[in-house]
Order: sequence, then C-alpha cells, then structure tokens
Amino acid sequence: GQQVMQIPQYQHVQEGEDFTTYCNSSTTLSNIQWYKQRPGGHPVFLIQLVKSGEVKKQKRLTFQFGEAKKNSSLHITATQTTDVGTYFCAGPPSSGNTPLVFGKGTRLSVIA
Amino acid sequence: DGGITQSPKYLFRKEGQNVTLSCEQNLNHDAMYWYRQDPGQGLRLIYYSQIVNDFQKGDIAEGYSVSREKKESFPLTVTSAQKNPTAFYLCASSGRGSTDTQYFGPGTRLTVL
Repeated sequence: GQQVMQIPQYQHVQEGEDFTTYCNSSTTLSNIQWYKQRPGGHPVFLIQLVKSGEVKKQKRLTFQFGEAKKNSSLHITATQTTDVGTYFCAGPPSSGNTPLVFGKGTRLSVIA
Repeated sequence: DGGITQSPKYLFRKEGQNVTLSCEQNLNHDAMYWYRQDPGQGLRLIYYSQIVNDFQKGDIAEGYSVSREKKESFPLTVTSAQKNPTAFYLCASSGRGSTDTQYFGPGTRLTVL
C-alpha cells in the first residue's frame, strides 16, 4: 500500500539553529498536509499544499511541495523553544476514499 | 464553540475490563476516526467512519469496536481482547473526502493496570 516516509525520526537543535524535516511518498500525491503535535497534546493542522512546486510560508516556517508531488519539506528558521513537538506530514491515499496516510513524524527538541 | 471533545482525559482500568472512550464533535463533519499513539510513535488508525451507521477497520482494529449511531458521536470500546491497550487514543473528524483536513480531539490516555 501507499507509504509516507519522514526523515529524520528525531532532531535535536540548539535554539536559533535551523531545522528541516522531509516527507516522501511512494506515490504521487494530490496534496500534502502538515500537522504539529506539542508534547502531551494532539496534532494540529498547519497547512496544505496542492500545486507542484508550491512554497508557502508561515512566519519562520517554510513548506515546499516537490515538482513531482511525491515529496515535501518543512523548514524552520531560527528555532525557538515553542517549536518543540512532533511534525507529521500526511497525504491522501493513491486510490479509493480511505483516510489520509500519515508519516511517522519527526520529533524536534530545542535546547535553550 | 466548535470542536471535538474526548472524555475522560485520563482513564485507568483493570486488566480484563472493557472500556469505552467518548468522542463528540459539533463541526458537522461526516467522517470520524480513531487513532492509537504509543510513546514516541506515530498515529495508527484503528477505525474510521465516513457516514452514520457505517464504519471501516483501520490498520489495527483487532481488540477494538466502534459504533456510529449519530453524526456527532463515535465511541470506541477497548475490549479485553486487546492485548496491550495502554496508550494515548486520539479521535479526529473531517469532511467526507479523503483529502480533507482532520481535526483532532485532545485525546484520552488509557492505562490498564
């Protein structure tokens, strides 16, 4: 079945350093969604990308959707302690009306 | 105030007992989902429902059961057949389409002693 892979699984950064997580799908995606889960919390939707090569920014967060619509990235500039959490990407299934397929997430730790 | 509620936040049960987790939404969403999350792990789909009175098994349905008698409600029962039920359970809802954004409830942390 369709797989959505995320790397790295964990990332520890010093506050102020940049951070990037990558998401790769085994199939072409109609869109990609990103979610953030704070420690002890629940996933919260961040953004959806739909177009090939699309780039969207939310303050220090930059999201990209690959030209082939099979990969995506989330880049955080100058991390802050508020960025701590797990970032998940998710894409719709390649066929059928079944739920989003979530990656396993990248857990970000920020050392002050 | 629209959203998804899950209760209780923490739940303790003795081994061998069935337990039902509540999930209610007032977002008028057609689809609802249950996920299990173990420490440091991703989200694993247990069951989902795209319309009232219909639901489908996810990747790890064994030992769990659900019902969808009302659009707003999608309770999950963790049965005694579930071998390792201690986990964080998340409920979510979305529009009916598979591409729709999912909105998550705050979760229930179940501990089986």
